[in-house]
Amino acid sequence: EDQVTQSPEALRLQEGESSSLNCSYTVSGLRGLFWYRQDPGKGPEFLFTLYSAGEEKEKERLKATLTKKESFLHITAPKPEDSATYLCAVQAGGANSKLTFGKGITLSVRP
Amino acid sequence: NAGVTQTPKFRVLKTGQSMTLLCAQDMNHEYMYWYRQDPGMGLRLIHYSVGEGTTAKGEVPDGYNVSRLKKQNFLLGLESAAPSQTSVYFCASSSPGLAGEQYFGPGTRLTVT
Repeated sequence: EDQVTQSPEALRLQEGESSSLNCSYTVSGLRGLFWYRQDPGKGPEFLFTLYSAGEEKEKERLKATLTKKESFLHITAPKPEDSATYLCAVQAGGANSKLTFGKGITLSVRP
Repeated sequence: NAGVTQTPKFRVLKTGQSMTLLCAQDMNHEYMYWYRQDPGMGLRLIHYSVGEGTTAKGEVPDGYNVSRLKKQNFLLGLESAAPSQTSVYFCASSSPGLAGEQYFGPGTRLTVT
């Protein structure tokens, strides 16, 4: 059974204080790993896809990396508007296989 | 483009009542999904569809039914609501071959008393 564990459950940062969010996974035959952002009261919004170990993707202050066992979402010099819940999901098997989501990490950035 | 829309946004039901949640997308996506999100549980897949006229069970399908009569619409039905179905329901859609890149609607908050 595919499993995704995200840590920590919640993270509070001061504006400008860089940090990383962790997503550990157990899956048979990783097809892809995906990061989503979810603002309170809204649906998740797709951020990144990572397909193979060593791959990195960047978007503004966010950088996602992937190893064979985990993924990190690095946040550099965060701003209050980066406050959200960040979800990690894995896809195993074929290109149209279902996603297994982690429980999410709630990030709060204080001004 | 409106993207993915969901109707209604909020609903309160009594135990045993029925209702239908409507999801519509204007991105011409083949694949559509229904998830529920509960505190501490993460997103869980209820049912999904890979094309008009097709549906399949996800991780937690019991107590729900779905229909995909038109490509742009995906309906989720609760025939006899139970308090355990109190949750936030999200619809999503994606293109074939890019099933991991899903576009989500704003959600429906359902309370069953």
